[in-house]
Amino acid sequence: DSGVTQTPKHLITATGQRVTLRCSPRSGDLSVYWYQQSLDQGLQFLIQYYNGEERAKGNILERFSAQQFPDLHSELNLSSLELGDSALYFCASSTVTSGNTIYFGEGSWLTVV
Amino acid sequence: GDSVTQMEGPVTLSEEAFLTINCTYTATGYPSLFWYVQYPGEGLQLLLKATKADDKGSNKGFEATYRKETTSFHLEKGSVQVSDSAVYFCALSDLNTDKLIFGTGTRLQVFP
Repeated sequence: DSGVTQTPKHLITATGQRVTLRCSPRSGDLSVYWYQQSLDQGLQFLIQYYNGEERAKGNILERFSAQQFPDLHSELNLSSLELGDSALYFCASSTVTSGNTIYFGEGSWLTVV
Repeated sequence: GDSVTQMEGPVTLSEEAFLTINCTYTATGYPSLFWYVQYPGEGLQLLLKATKADDKGSNKGFEATYRKETTSFHLEKGSVQVSDSAVYFCALSDLNTDKLIFGTGTRLQVFP
């Protein structure tokens, strides 16, 4: 158990819909990362937050957005969903005291039908 | 930009065989290097890491040495088990943000 908690574990939704994925980082971790894992694109970095502020942005679509709240949990919002958004979405967290080692949650499986 | 290149899979081995999965990287500066493992149906788990040149990371019988001169971080295990069957990802950390840049992953299949 990495200590990073993601919900929901599985989600099936229709095209055009909007979903929210939630992440609770390890206790005390200030950085939260979101990654997308798909068969054709591999593991893609989406976005990073540090203590509530966006720190780095990767290949995140404009239809996707994220935020980190004062209690450090994070949400990834996916809107106007397309079939190609079906993937495993990982949240991860780290902090200086862990040597900035990044620990991953078990992921949220999103299937768009 | 920074990148990681891994050998293509799948790698198919018999139990107790020697394993090498090659990983090379391109980066400015000297990033930390990692191997993560993903067992079937599970998330990513940190397997081992090395933070500077000539460091050797090790865990569960797996080893990898940070080679600055060849920009490599090859994963090795002397005797694999069926339970090692998984996808292995090599990664480096971005020096400015600590985000991880992953290779494409290498699937390992070990047969009894």
